[in-house]
Amino acid sequence: GAVVSQHPSWVICKSGTSVKIECRSLDFQATTMFWYRQFPKQSLMLMATSNEGSKATYEQGVEKDKFLINHASLTLSTLTVTSAHPEDSSFYICSAQSGTVTQPQHFGDGTRLSIL
Amino acid sequence: TQLLEQSPQFLSIQEGENLTVYCNSSSVFSSLQWYRQEPGEGPVLLVTVVTGGEVKKLKRLTFQFGDARKDSSLHITAAQPGDTGLYLCAAHEGAGSYQLTFGKGTKLSVIP
Repeated sequence: GAVVSQHPSWVICKSGTSVKIECRSLDFQATTMFWYRQFPKQSLMLMATSNEGSKATYEQGVEKDKFLINHASLTLSTLTVTSAHPEDSSFYICSAQSGTVTQPQHFGDGTRLSIL
Repeated sequence: TQLLEQSPQFLSIQEGENLTVYCNSSSVFSSLQWYRQEPGEGPVLLVTVVTGGEVKKLKRLTFQFGDARKDSSLHITAAQPGDTGLYLCAAHEGAGSYQLTFGKGTKLSVIP
């Protein structure tokens, strides 16, 4: 089956640090990638949608200057949390999709981000 | 935004028992998906239901899509400890939309 790799799986850093999270589709080309955030005991909330080679579309309330998304190739998207603060601590999950909307999204295993 | 309401929010049962969890909305969906998520991992797709009234079976799991395509249920027969996890339903926001909206999930614990 389709595999999506997310790295790192866990990161702890000091407040003010910028953190980059990678999402790779290993065995298929992902025309669209999605970034979600999940707080404890809550569901996944979509942050942004990115298509290869174009700017990401952010959901309402998500600061695009704080959460920088780059989708430079059909197999890689990155999310950079700039100047992270404790309130940015969360579980970040990416998913990747190839082709049309009828194709399923394949999820990575998530990145646990803890800001001290 | 289409709201997906899942119930119950938490469920703790003994191994061997049967259970049903629900996903309801006031909106009509072209399709609906069920995922299972374990702690510290991403969600894994279990099934996609498309046709109103559709029933799909995956071993001990039975998924049903409501006739009006507004609701769905997941029934687990003879639950096992390995079924423990967060069960999420999700649907696309509007026809042709790539974006998935997730319910808040049902956290299932199966006690040996």
